[in-house]
Amino acid sequence: DIQMTQSPSSLSASVGDRVTITCRASQSIISKLSWYQHKPGKAPKLLIYAASTLQGGVPSRFSGSGSGTYFTLSISSLQPEDFATYYCQQSYSPPLTFGGGTQVEIK
Amino acid sequence: EVQLVESGGDLVQSGGSLTLSCAASGFSFNIYSMNWVRQAPGKGLEWISYMTSDTRTIHYAASVKGRFTISRDNAKNSLYLQMNSLRAEDTAVYYCARSVHYAFDYWGQGILVTVSS
Repeated sequence: DIQMTQSPSSLSASVGDRVTITCRASQSIISKLSWYQHKPGKAPKLLIYAASTLQGGVPSRFSGSGSGTYFTLSISSLQPEDFATYYCQQSYSPPLTFGGGTQVEIK
Repeated sequence: EVQLVESGGDLVQSGGSLTLSCAASGFSFNIYSMNWVRQAPGKGLEWISYMTSDTRTIHYAASVKGRFTISRDNAKNSLYLQMNSLRAEDTAVYYCARSVHYAFDYWGQGILVTVSS
C-alpha cells in the first residue's frame, strides 16, 4: 500500500499569511494527487486534482505543485474561511490512501 | 445541481449488519465511478471502497474487505454499502463521493454509523 505522510499535522497562522502544507508518498504516484478541505460537520471539498489543477470555483489563492513523491499545497493569503483541516490523497493505486491531515488554526 | 444524500445510518450492536444508501441527483449517475469514505471520531478520512460505473471493477480497503460490500443500481441512481460483522472501530461518519479525474469531486453530507460493543 502507498503511505501518504502530511506535514505539519497542525499549524497556527494569521489572516493574510502564506501557508504551505507538504505531502509525501511512499512511492511515486506521478501526479495522481488531490487536496481536500474539510470543515466540521461539512462535506469535504475538492481543491486541487492532478497535483496542480485547481477545481472549478476554488479561489486562486490555493495552488498545488509536485510530482512523483513530493507535493505541496499553498494558500497565498490565508482568509478567515480557510481555517479547516486539509488532506492529500493518492489515486495512483488502491487502496486510495489519504494523508493524516493538517489542521490550520487561527493564531 | 449535483447532490449526494446518504441514508441508513443507525446505532447497531457489535457483530450486527447495516446497509447504507446514497441517492444521487443532478448528474448522469450511470457514467461515474463512486466511492465510500469514512471518518471515525477524532480521526482523519479513510477511503473504504470504490466501484466503476459498469460495476466491473471494485476495490476495498483491507480494514473492511470481506465484511463490507459495495453495490449500485444505475436505474435508481443509487449507491449502497452493505456492512456485516460490524465492529466498534467501524463507528464513523460515512460519505459517498463521486470520482472524476482520479479525484473525488462531489461528496454527500455524511451519515453516522455507531457500533456499540
